[in-house]
Parts: sequence; C-alpha cells; structure tokens
Amino acid sequence: GQNIDQPTEMTATEGAIVQINCTYQTSGFNGLFWYQQHAGEAPTFLSYNVLDGLEEKGRFSSFLSRSKGYSYLLLKELQMKDSASYLCAVRDRDYKLSFGAGTTVTVRA
Amino acid sequence: IAGITQAPTSQILAAGRRMTLRCTQDMRHNAMYWYRQDLGLGLRLIHYSNTAGTTGKGEVPDGYSVSRANTDDFPLTLASAVPSQTSVYFCASSPAGGSYNEQFFGPGTRLTVL
Repeated sequence: GQNIDQPTEMTATEGAIVQINCTYQTSGFNGLFWYQQHAGEAPTFLSYNVLDGLEEKGRFSSFLSRSKGYSYLLLKELQMKDSASYLCAVRDRDYKLSFGAGTTVTVRA
Repeated sequence: IAGITQAPTSQILAAGRRMTLRCTQDMRHNAMYWYRQDLGLGLRLIHYSNTAGTTGKGEVPDGYSVSRANTDDFPLTLASAVPSQTSVYFCASSPAGGSYNEQFFGPGTRLTVL
C-alpha cells in the first residue's frame, strides 16, 4: 500500500511562488502524479514524474526523489485562478493511484 | 467529444435503497476507476477495471459492486445504501499500459444517503 502525506493548507500572495511538498511510502513505485482540483470540480492532470529530477511545464514544475520518497510541486507567478486543491498521487505496479488528502492553496491579492 | 460523463449529477437517497451510478467514456480507454472523495481523506479507490470483462477491488470496496460489460461503461452499484456512503463519487479512465498515462476524471456525482 501507499502512505502519502502533504500539508493541508497553504496561503500565498499573487505573483509569488509556492512549493507543495509530498512524502510517500510505497510497496511498489511506478510514478507520481500531481492533480489540480478547483472546488466543486473534477481533478485535472498537472504533471508526472517517474525518474528523479525536475519536470517543468510553464509556471508549474514538479520534482521527484525516489530514494527519499519525496516530491514537490512548484507554482510560480501565482495567479488568483491557482487557488485550488493540489493532489499528490502515487501509482503502483498495477497502475492504480493512491492519493494524498490534498493541499488547499489560497492565493491572496 | 464528451470525455467522461457521469449520472446523476447529484442524488439524495434513503438508507437501504439500491442505487446505480453511471459512468460512460468515449475515449476508448481500457482502464476505468471509481473513487469516493471525502473531506480530509482525499480520493480513495473503490473498484477498478483494467479492461472490459475484468474488475478488481480497490481500497474501500465494501458495500459497492461494479461491472464492465463493454469498454465504454462502468456502473457502480450500492446494493443497500448506508449514511456512511454519503460522498462525492468520481469515475476516471486511462489508456492501458505505458508509463505516462494519466487518469481523466468525470465531473462527479454528489450522493447523500439519509
């Protein structure tokens, strides 16, 4: 099984940078995903890491260290529309996802 | 292209009643999943299907059943609903195999069991 931890809430100012950490313990690691979920909506895919290192996609970047069981999602140049919940999910060798409880990010003007 | 659709959008159900949540995808994805999302607990996998004709149990399968008669449809049935099954239910799908394949989520069904 998987044990996934991420902070419950974070607050940041518009234009700033926020880093959301995720730690995991897994019996069979096969990739780590980050999803964004706005209130009342479905989760949408943000990023995927399976090898160690940084993956950059525009204002969003995700980092993975498999030896440390650690990932982070970096949100740069924060905008009001980035206020949402961010979900860390670990995939096992059967291609099933286990999700953390999510981090609610509030962007203030 | 609709992607994944779920029905109903929301439902209030009396305890003890039977209920089927519907999920249909038009992306020809082999794998489909059902999750429930509860405040503070995140998304938890109920059942999954890697291909038509096969199903498997997830983290919280008790009280739920699924079937996968074809590629497109993956209904979730609550045989006798209980208040603890009050939740938001999300269906998801994914292409089978491969390393990059993310899951695509439907809009969700908000279920209240009284």
